[in-house]
Amino acid sequence: KQEVTQIPAALSVPEGENLVLNCSFTDSAIYNLQWFRQDPGKGLTSLLLIQSSQREQTSGRLNASLDKSSGRSTLYIAASQPGDSATYLCAEMDSSYKLIFGSGTRLLVRP
Amino acid sequence: DGGITQSPKYLFRKEGQNVTLSCEQNLNHDAMYWYRQDPGQGLRLIYYSQIVNDFQKGDIAEGYSVSREKKESFPLTVTSAQKNPTAFYLCASSRSRQANYGYTFGSGTRLTVV
Repeated sequence: KQEVTQIPAALSVPEGENLVLNCSFTDSAIYNLQWFRQDPGKGLTSLLLIQSSQREQTSGRLNASLDKSSGRSTLYIAASQPGDSATYLCAEMDSSYKLIFGSGTRLLVRP
Repeated sequence: DGGITQSPKYLFRKEGQNVTLSCEQNLNHDAMYWYRQDPGQGLRLIYYSQIVNDFQKGDIAEGYSVSREKKESFPLTVTSAQKNPTAFYLCASSRSRQANYGYTFGSGTRLTVV
């Protein structure tokens, strides 16, 4: 059974710091890797999608990388702000086009 | 604006009752999905449908049922056979079988057993 793991489970940083969230997956044949943001009690907002043939994607202060050979993805957040506080979920799309999710990293950016 | 609408936002179920969660999308997506989220955990797939009149079980389908009679709608029924239904339920849609296209999620329904 394919698994997705996110480390750390929680992270607290001061405003302005650059940070990296980690995601590892066991499926060597993923179709894509997606990063989502979830605010408390809300649905998921898509942040970045990296196709299996790509190595990274960027959107504003966010940069996501994908290394299929090591089964790892990272989400880099530059110059963090209190508004970035949320839970960040990664998910890999398997060969049946289903998303398999990690448990998320809960981020708190302190003013 | 296109999107996914889930209703109700909050739902309370008595022991032994069946309840139905609504999910409607106007994105013209073929594929729709139901996920369950428990506190501090990721999302687990309940059921999914790649096309109208067809659906498949996900990882935790026991105690749940779905239908897909229209492209726009994918309701989820939580039956009395689901012994621990209290959770946050999320519906999503996407273009069917396209790896270069992401999922769009609804805002969720929080179900509580009373």
